[in-house]
Amino acid sequence: GAGVSQTPSNKVTEKGKYVELRCDPISGHTALYWYRQSLGQGPEFLIYFQGTGAADDSGLPNDRFFAVRPEGSVSTLKIQRTERGDSAVYLCASSLRGKSYNEQFFGPGTRLTVL
Amino acid sequence: QQQVKQSPQSLIVQKGGISIINCAYENTAFDYFPWYQQFPGKGPALLIAIRPDVSEKKEGRFTISFNKSAKQFSLHIMDSQPGDSATYFCAASKDTGNQFYFGTGTSLTVIP
Repeated sequence: GAGVSQTPSNKVTEKGKYVELRCDPISGHTALYWYRQSLGQGPEFLIYFQGTGAADDSGLPNDRFFAVRPEGSVSTLKIQRTERGDSAVYLCASSLRGKSYNEQFFGPGTRLTVL
Repeated sequence: QQQVKQSPQSLIVQKGGISIINCAYENTAFDYFPWYQQFPGKGPALLIAIRPDVSEKKEGRFTISFNKSAKQFSLHIMDSQPGDSATYFCAASKDTGNQFYFGTGTSLTVIP
């Protein structure tokens, strides 16, 4: 079956602009996660959704970052007033349920470059 | 601070050799320890995982060794193959939480 998909695969924007990154999780997966991966680093947690609600947004770096999952499937990560330091690969993952031992399936990521 | 520390940063192994990657953690609340494999341009993919009630788990050529008292765990890749060349991440999570805390990654190169 289809895995986690993310669009766009690459996004180049200018400092100060607004961007939206989309994640389509595996069908039937109730849990959805966003991570950020900087060059040479491991993924860093941003936010976790269980269904439509953000169950844990403790990883969002500041209020420029926001994510939604209005119908409990597709999620959008929104970044306002982008800064050069936001440049990274943004990874989305989904799992059947939001338990720690449930495998998280990752998408290929969106590479964001802020000029 | 880094919740999971991983070493080495990079590793070069001859084909047929054993690759060993080590991780250490401090938070005793962690109860699930997966290893992820990542190829360039791809997302991480689960390789093997262990819970702290066992000291070792083996799946094919991949083995996790877990030392609860030392708060350390390691990945052993037996008979390493060029196709194993990738970046490997250890991770940890708590049953009461849902996020994975990832190590900084190990770039493995297996030389033919």
